[in-house]
Amino acid sequence: DGGITQSPKYLFRKEGQNVTLSCEQNLNHDAMYWYRQDPGQGLRLIYYSQIVNDFQKGDIAEGYSVSREKKESFPLTVTSAQKNPTAFYLCASSIQGRNTEAFFGQGTRLTVV
Amino acid sequence: GQQVMQIPQYQHVQEGEDFTTYCNSSTTLSNIQWYKQRPGGHPVFLIQLVKSGEVKKQKRLTFQFGEAKKNSSLHITATQTTDVGTYFCAGPPRGGADGLTFGKGTHLIIQP
Repeated sequence: DGGITQSPKYLFRKEGQNVTLSCEQNLNHDAMYWYRQDPGQGLRLIYYSQIVNDFQKGDIAEGYSVSREKKESFPLTVTSAQKNPTAFYLCASSIQGRNTEAFFGQGTRLTVV
Repeated sequence: GQQVMQIPQYQHVQEGEDFTTYCNSSTTLSNIQWYKQRPGGHPVFLIQLVKSGEVKKQKRLTFQFGEAKKNSSLHITATQTTDVGTYFCAGPPRGGADGLTFGKGTHLIIQP
């Protein structure tokens, strides 16, 4: 059953801690993305990767880091430098990038306590 | 940077009424995509429009891409409770960057 898997679904973090959100896809897509969604808002691009071992900053990359060591995996680390990390995080992939359909994971809801 | 504006932000309709959401970009788009997000869910792709003036239909949903490729609309005829959710338009960012620039979405609320 092909798709994108994000884990965990819910995550609680203490202030000052780094946390890593997992994203795995078995669609054989080259392009992967991380978006952030705040209540009542659209999605904003954090990072994207078009190929293994390469990634680029999106519109709101400050306080986040990523890696792309495998085609299937694109983990996102929310660092303590992110001032307002509480949000819904969505991972996506597409077969050929910006001009093709994006497939989204179920999302991770991060809350800072 | 590029902006994608969507109106209205919220729309309340009675079940069976029609619904329309409008999307406007500050720049010409090579394509526009529409997504639906159910409450508590994740965005799901609906359609992509590429050609100037293009119109596509999916059952009760009609999608249009403007002649200047800067605006788009989604129209739902005779809404049903299953149509509840947030509808987003999205387009590629300016320049060669990847990813999509999303509008803030239109929340469709249906009263039975």
